[in-house]
Amino acid sequence: EDKVVQSPLSLVVHEGDTVTLNCSYEVTNFRSLLWYKQEKKAPTFLFMLTSSGIEKKSGRLSSILDKKELSSILNITATQTGDSAIYLCAVEPFFQGAQKLVFGQGTRLTINP
Amino acid sequence: NAGVTQTPKFQVLKTGQSMTLQCAQDMNHEYMSWYRQDPGMGLRLIHYSVGAGITDQGEVPNGYNVSRSTTEDFPLRLLSAAPSQTSVYFCASTYPDLRGEAFFGQGTRLTVV
Repeated sequence: EDKVVQSPLSLVVHEGDTVTLNCSYEVTNFRSLLWYKQEKKAPTFLFMLTSSGIEKKSGRLSSILDKKELSSILNITATQTGDSAIYLCAVEPFFQGAQKLVFGQGTRLTINP
Repeated sequence: NAGVTQTPKFQVLKTGQSMTLQCAQDMNHEYMSWYRQDPGMGLRLIHYSVGAGITDQGEVPNGYNVSRSTTEDFPLRLLSAAPSQTSVYFCASTYPDLRGEAFFGQGTRLTVV
C-alpha cells in the first residue's frame, strides 16, 4: 500500500525563523512528489519534484527530493505570518497519474509575529 | 477563469438522507477526483475519473457513488448519509500533461447529524 508520512504534524515558530518540513514516502512505482499549501480552503500547488533530484525554488520557498532516502524537504526562510497554513505532501504513482494522488497527513505551520 | 467549482460550500444532513455534491471544471481537464479531508489524516481519495464515462474507486469509496457523463462535471452522491461521512470534500481536476499538478475546488463542508 502506498504511503506518505509528514513530520512534524504541527510547528509553531516566530516570524523571521527558517523552517524545514519533512515528507517520506513508500510507493510501488514513483513518478513525482508534490507540495501543496492549504490556507483556509483549497490546496494550491507549490512544487513538483521528480527523481532527477533538481531543487525547486520560488522566492523564500525551496524543496528537494532525496531519491535514495525516499524523502523530500520543504524549506521556508525568513518566515512571514502569511506562511501560516497546512502544507501537504503528495505522491503521484507511475502509471496512475495525478488523478490518484496519495497524500500525507499535512504539517500545520503557525508563524507568530 | 472559474477553475474548479464546488457546490454547496456547506451542508448539514440527517443520518440516512441522500444528497449530491456538485463539481464542475472549465479547463477541459480529462482527469477528475474526489477527496475527503479529515483532521490528522490528510486527503483520501474517494473516486476518480479519467474521462467521460470512465470512473473507478479510490481508497475510501464505500457509501459514495459517482458518474461522469460530461468532461466538465463529476458529481459525488452520498446514498445514505452516516455521521462517519462528516468531513470536508474536495474535488480536483488535472490532465496528463500537467505531470502531477492538480487543481482543487474550494471544498464542501458536510456535517451529518
